[in-house]
Amino acid sequence: SQQGEEDPQALSIQEGENATMNCSYKTSINNLQWYRQNSGRGLVHLILIRSNEREKHSGRLRVTLDTSKKSSSLLITASRAADTASYFCATDAGDSGGSNYKLTFGKGTLLTVNP
Amino acid sequence: DGGITQSPKYLFRKEGQNVTLSCEQNLNHDAMYWYRQDPGQGLRLIYYSQIVNDFQKGDIAEGYSVSREKKESFPLTVTSAQKNPTAFYLCASKEAGGFETQYFGPGTRLLVL
Repeated sequence: SQQGEEDPQALSIQEGENATMNCSYKTSINNLQWYRQNSGRGLVHLILIRSNEREKHSGRLRVTLDTSKKSSSLLITASRAADTASYFCATDAGDSGGSNYKLTFGKGTLLTVNP
Repeated sequence: DGGITQSPKYLFRKEGQNVTLSCEQNLNHDAMYWYRQDPGQGLRLIYYSQIVNDFQKGDIAEGYSVSREKKESFPLTVTSAQKNPTAFYLCASKEAGGFETQYFGPGTRLLVL
C-alpha cells in the first residue's frame, strides 16, 4: 500500500527557531493530513490540505503540497518547547472514498525543541 | 483525545491467551479504525468499519478480530495467532461523508508476559 515517508526522521532545534518537516508519497491522493503525537499518547489532527491546494496556514503552521513531486512540507514557525512531539503525514488513496475510506501514515518525524 | 476512550491503558497477555481491547466513542461517528504502532514506526491499519455490523481488513489483520455490534463500540481482539502482539494500539473514528479527519483515542499498550 502507498505510504507517506517523512524526512528527517529526527529534528532537534532551539526554541524560537523554525522547524520544517517533509513528506513524500507514492500515488495520487485526495488530500494529505498532518498529525501530531506526544509520547505515549494518541494522535491529534493538525491540518488538512486538499490535492487542488498548494498552501495552507493554521496559526504557526504552514503546509505546502506539490502534487507533481508527490511531496508536502510542514513548517512550524517560532517553535516552543511544547511543540516537542512526533509529526506524521497521512494520505488517502486517490481511489478511496465512501465505504472504502482509509488513511496511510508515514513513520513520522520526531521533533525536539530545546528551551 | 476527543470523545474516544480506550481501555485498559496497559494490558498484559500470557502466551496462548486472547485479549480484547476496548474502544468507545460518543462522537456519533460512523467510521472506526484500529491501528498498531511499533516503536519508532508509523501507524499500520489493522481493521476498519464504516457502519454497524460491517468491517474490512486493513494491512495487517492476521491474528486479530473485531466486531461492530454498536455504533459507539469497536472492540479489537488480539488472538493467540498473533505471534508478536507487543505494540501500542490506537483506535480512531471519523464522521461519515466528506469529513476526512480522524479522531484518536489515548491508546492501549499491550505487553506479553
